[in-house]
Amino acid sequence: GAGVSQSPRYKVTKRGQDVALRCDPISGHVSLYWYRQALGQGPEFLTYFNYEAQQDKSGLPNDRFSAERPEGSISTLTIQRTEQRDSAMYRCASSLGLTVDWAGGGLLETQYFGPGTRLLVL
Amino acid sequence: AQTVTQSQPEMSVQEAETVTLSCTYDTSESDYYLFWYKQPPSRQMILVIRQEAYKQQNATENRFSVNFQKAAKSFSLKISDSQLGDAAMYFCAYRLSNFGNEKLTFGTGTRLTIIP
Repeated sequence: GAGVSQSPRYKVTKRGQDVALRCDPISGHVSLYWYRQALGQGPEFLTYFNYEAQQDKSGLPNDRFSAERPEGSISTLTIQRTEQRDSAMYRCASSLGLTVDWAGGGLLETQYFGPGTRLLVL
Repeated sequence: AQTVTQSQPEMSVQEAETVTLSCTYDTSESDYYLFWYKQPPSRQMILVIRQEAYKQQNATENRFSVNFQKAAKSFSLKISDSQLGDAAMYFCAYRLSNFGNEKLTFGTGTRLTIIP
């Protein structure tokens, strides 16, 4: 595909509602990452997948946040019972994962980011 | 835990001049990657340049180059011949090189203004 896509681009919801944010990675990318970016800050890691396996969810702030990638492609980040402090830009990134460089060594590929979903919880 | 520090919240430069953005990081690891990402007003995140810690040669991409000082844990970005399109937030980021530990740790960013 042309790049990482995310939907919706903007989401306004009321406190207490559940939201689902979708990420469609670049075709062929096996690794997928979720980050959250507050205004004026750098992105903060939430979780990531290799294929369909969730490898690290240490950045998820609490059990209201969950993510899945059931077929190893599209991923959904779900926030249950949203709170105003959840308002932020949610970014998805994808990469080829681990490849072999010219010297035969392992090389972690670069993460490419999507446009983000701006979430506002009222 | 690894941390990334960008001590310049804002920088400005005259068009066509050169500017250097600073980044320092803290890690006890010896093998890692460093990145500079650009975030223009559209709020996209665009990779500018990447450096592998095991490489002694500084990375360059056209007008963009880095000064990587591993012992000092410093990774500055130099932009030559600044253009109006370079105006953006610039984020420095760090990542371990081992598979399975791939999260990016970002600094707080430097806002770069280009003066026509």
